[in-house]
Amino acid sequence: TQLLEQSPQFLSIQEGENLTVYCNSSSVFSSLQWYRQEPGEGPVLLVTVVTGGEVKKLKRLTFQFGDARKDSSLHITAAQPGDTGLYLCAGARSIFSNAGKSTFGDGTTLTVKP
Amino acid sequence: GAGVSQSPSNKVTEKGKDVELRCDPISGHTALYWYRQSLGQGLEFLIYFQGNSAPDKSGLPSDRFSAERTGGSVSTLTIQRTQQEDSAVYLCASSSGRRSNTGELFFGEGSRLTVL
Repeated sequence: TQLLEQSPQFLSIQEGENLTVYCNSSSVFSSLQWYRQEPGEGPVLLVTVVTGGEVKKLKRLTFQFGDARKDSSLHITAAQPGDTGLYLCAGARSIFSNAGKSTFGDGTTLTVKP
Repeated sequence: GAGVSQSPSNKVTEKGKDVELRCDPISGHTALYWYRQSLGQGLEFLIYFQGNSAPDKSGLPSDRFSAERTGGSVSTLTIQRTQQEDSAVYLCASSSGRRSNTGELFFGEGSRLTVL
């Protein structure tokens, strides 16, 4: 079983602070996705990383894929209340076949207080 | 359709009753997934369809759970003789299924099931 462990599980910070969320596994993934989910809605895709060592930026969010493709991090700069939500990482086994499910971490619940 | 559509959005049922949850994926998406999510937690894989076939149904918790997909489009998840532990949000997702796909999933808003 491929497990993805996310940390921290809960994070409560003040507006303007920086934070990092981690996603770790002992298994290698072909690609890894980060999703954000708000209450009452389904997860929404933020980014996909594919290459070991890859760094992607999305405004104030920076995503990194580990060199060995076993771990990833999400860094948010100057967090805002609108960043509040459940952040989920998910690993996919195969790029080419899309055969099978993605493995999801248990999520990090982020609360940004104004 | 423009996005993944699920119905009902909320379902309250009594223990022992059967329920059906429906998912209408993004038009043209050949892959369809069902996941289950408990309050504030991550997603538990249930079943995956490629077209009308289910090559991976390893996540179905028991034989009370079944799913089908017809016409390569709409899917129905059926839970028979519901139990209280079945209470959760059931999420459906679809993806293009193309060889170039890198595992990205597009989710519906979920069906919240409450078993009394």
